[in-house]
Amino acid sequence: SQQGEEDPQALSIQEGENATMNCSYKTSINNLQWYRQNSGRGLVHLILIRSNEREKHSGRLRVTLDTSKKSSSLLITASRAADTASYFCATDRSSNTGKLIFGQGTTLQVKP
Amino acid sequence: DAGVIQSPRHEVTEMGQEVTLRCKPISGHNSLFWYRQTMMRGLELLIYFNNNVPIDDSGMPEDRFSAKMPNASFSTLKIQPSEPRDSAVYFCASSFRADYNQPQHFGDGTRLSIL
Repeated sequence: SQQGEEDPQALSIQEGENATMNCSYKTSINNLQWYRQNSGRGLVHLILIRSNEREKHSGRLRVTLDTSKKSSSLLITASRAADTASYFCATDRSSNTGKLIFGQGTTLQVKP
Repeated sequence: DAGVIQSPRHEVTEMGQEVTLRCKPISGHNSLFWYRQTMMRGLELLIYFNNNVPIDDSGMPEDRFSAKMPNASFSTLKIQPSEPRDSAVYFCASSFRADYNQPQHFGDGTRLSIL
């Protein structure tokens, strides 16, 4: 069964705008991770946030985690055409050892 | 450093044939994962290994699928006999699991088409 569910499924913005993607999950977790997938390529790890963290930054990326609501958001600021990709959240459940459950992803298109 | 290496990148074969997908994880990583990605079902975990031992194969669709990891630097996923519904992109990923909080590193996948 799907653990992470992303919202929206698709997002189209202009270059320079911010993009926000949301992820909801169902069970308690060790951490939540965000990945990017460019067309025809494998997934690339972007950022990991642990269950005891609430916010994390990496360059133009900002991730928040609300364990009470079982949700996370990924914000990409000042988007670029090169950010066009699919973005997936993945959860590492407390009951598992290393197994990630991926959501269906958000497809982001950044128009130049 | 070399990333996760998968071969072949593309495979087209006829129904009923045996298919073998190969993966070389990142050196030093001790966990390896096989995933399948389709439009309909998204990214599904098929099986994963810790220290070359299969830990969870509950995602393997049926007995036609088998996976091995004979050593720390090589794994195979085999489908025999293959069927058109096996057409998908198959990814291998590896990680170093000193604790739970480690990212996975993905290869670029094998695009499999069964005619």
